[in-house]
Amino acid sequence: GIQVEQSPPDLILQEGANSTLRCNFSDSVNNLQWFHQNPWGQLINLFYIPSGTKQNGRLSATTVATERYSLLYISSSQTTDSGVYFCAVVRTGTASKLTFGTGTRLQVTL
Amino acid sequence: GAGVSQTPSNKVTEKGKYVELRCDPISGHTALYWYRQSLGQGPEFLIYFQGTGAADDSGLPNDRFFAVRPEGSVSTLKIQRTERGDSAVYLCASTSGSGSVNTGELFFGEGSRLTVL
Repeated sequence: GIQVEQSPPDLILQEGANSTLRCNFSDSVNNLQWFHQNPWGQLINLFYIPSGTKQNGRLSATTVATERYSLLYISSSQTTDSGVYFCAVVRTGTASKLTFGTGTRLQVTL
Repeated sequence: GAGVSQTPSNKVTEKGKYVELRCDPISGHTALYWYRQSLGQGPEFLIYFQGTGAADDSGLPNDRFFAVRPEGSVSTLKIQRTERGDSAVYLCASTSGSGSVNTGELFFGEGSRLTVL
């Protein structure tokens, strides 16, 4: 099956700092999503981005499908950004089995 | 409904018992998925429905696990003879995509936390 690796595994930021999270995948994909799992366990959709660049407020994401990676940018981080960030992909030609990465655990401190 | 709804939110049961977990997808979504998330790990795929039929059940760990979606909307995940290793959060997701290769955006419910004592 497809391998999805995220880096860094853990990240501690001071409030106001910027960060970049990376997702590498081992095969071509036709779906890529970024999620934020909050401390209560809810998976919140951030971006549906199989290719290209999108922005939503302080967050933006870029997927370079030909080079098999995606980046999530968080600017001016806030304590409410804390939690685990997951990248998830669907390998091209498969029936939508979303495979999750290993996650990046982010802690934003005051 | 406005989002994917899962019940119960928490379920505690004893080893060997039978449990049912329910998922009500977003209205109009034809595709429904079940995932399982163990502590400290990402969600893992269990089964995918397109309409009433299970299009892919390759993630079900063994024959104690079964899921149905009889009318193409609400789905029930059934676990027989529960074991302590079944303890996890069971997540349901839905999407409006259709066809054999669905690439639509998935939306997840809040999950059902199962604890087997």
